Amino acid sequence: DSGVTQTPKHLITATGQRVTLRCSPRSGDLSVYWYQQSLDQGLQFLIQYYNGEERAKGNILERFSAQQFPDLHSELNLSSLELGDSALYFCASSDHGSNTGELFFGEGSRLTVL
Amino acid sequence: SQQGEEDPQALSIQEGENATMNCSYKTSINNLQWYRQNSGRGLVHLILIRSNEREKHSGRLRVTLDTSKKSSSLLITASRAADTASYFCATGPELTGGGNKLTFGTGTQLKVEL
Repeated sequence: DSGVTQTPKHLITATGQRVTLRCSPRSGDLSVYWYQQSLDQGLQFLIQYYNGEERAKGNILERFSAQQFPDLHSELNLSSLELGDSALYFCASSDHGSNTGELFFGEGSRLTVL
Repeated sequence: SQQGEEDPQALSIQEGENATMNCSYKTSINNLQWYRQNSGRGLVHLILIRSNEREKHSGRLRVTLDTSKKSSSLLITASRAADTASYFCATGPELTGGGNKLTFGTGTQLKVEL
């Protein structure tokens, strides 16, 4: 158990809809990361937050947004969903803000868009 | 886009044999990490090697790093069926102002048969 909690574990929805994925980092970790894993794109970095502020950004679509709250949990919002958004979405956390150490991953939220 | 590329894409060996996976990356790094992912599960950190290190050991794992060739290898000795998983290398650029844009390679699927 990594200590990172993601909900929901599974989500099935229709095209055009909006969903919110939630992540609770390990106790004490200030950084939260979001990744998308799909068969055709592999594991893609989306965004990083550190203590409530955006710190690094990857190939995150404009239809996607994220935030980190004062209690350090994070949410990833996916809107106007398309079939291609079906993927496993991972949250990870770390106690550092820069590229100096390991990330701890949650078990992921599997999104299926029909 | 992927920062690292693992080779081979898939590897099948017998229990007790050694498994070697290679990773090539594109930009300068300050460290390189290896992660393991059991099917559909979250990634688990295995080992981190810094750019000024050439070799590192952890249990049955041995990692080498050649910064002049921008490559790394992961050796698992005396493999077990429980080692069956996908293995990813991960690197991240140094970002001005901090941040951690850790990106993952395409992964090697290792299957260890009894």
